[in-house]
Amino acid sequence: GQSLEQPSEVTAVEGAIVQINCTYQTSGFYGLSWYQQHDGGAPTFLSYNGLDGLEETGRFSSFLSRSDSYGYLLLQELQMKDSASYFCAVLDDKIIFGKGTRLHILP
Amino acid sequence: KAGVTQTPRYLIKTRGQQVTLSCSPISGHRSVSWYQQTPGQGLQFLFEYFSETQRNKGNFPGRFSGRQFSNSRSEMNVSTLELGDSALYLCASSLATFGGNTEAFFGQGTRLTVV
Repeated sequence: GQSLEQPSEVTAVEGAIVQINCTYQTSGFYGLSWYQQHDGGAPTFLSYNGLDGLEETGRFSSFLSRSDSYGYLLLQELQMKDSASYFCAVLDDKIIFGKGTRLHILP
Repeated sequence: KAGVTQTPRYLIKTRGQQVTLSCSPISGHRSVSWYQQTPGQGLQFLFEYFSETQRNKGNFPGRFSGRQFSNSRSEMNVSTLELGDSALYLCASSLATFGGNTEAFFGQGTRLTVV
């Protein structure tokens, strides 16, 4: 079967750094993406890793290790507006999403 | 350019009825995927259409079906609605160049409530 595992909830303090992990087991694999979804909103694309290593986009970075079937999203200098759900997604011949991690940010 | 448009935004149906949801993708995008989102279950893949053909299908019963028209607009249909079908149904369009970075653009979804 195909599965993606990520923590259901993470809590962090405003201004801090938080890492959201994702492990996957899929029949095929092209790359790992991350999406953000605010309450009542649509998921929006954050990043994509097709090769091993770190990709940085402003305050957000994403890492992939294909040999470990593992990736993470790193959010730095957390702001209250970062409170949302974050989904990792595997690109196979379709996009398969994890169940999402709810990020709570404390002032 | 216009984003992904889903209609209607909200829908209330009675158990046993059938429903049709519509999705207009971003201009030039030929792939449309449908997802069901329920609390705690993330986005569960329903099916994907590309150039009017169903290219992939998730693990949903046959009551869930879809189609895509020549202008890439897509519809999904759920027959004999059950209470458990209450969910947010999201449509995503993409250029569908699998093998590389395929960013999916989501619509705002249709909130279906079955009573």
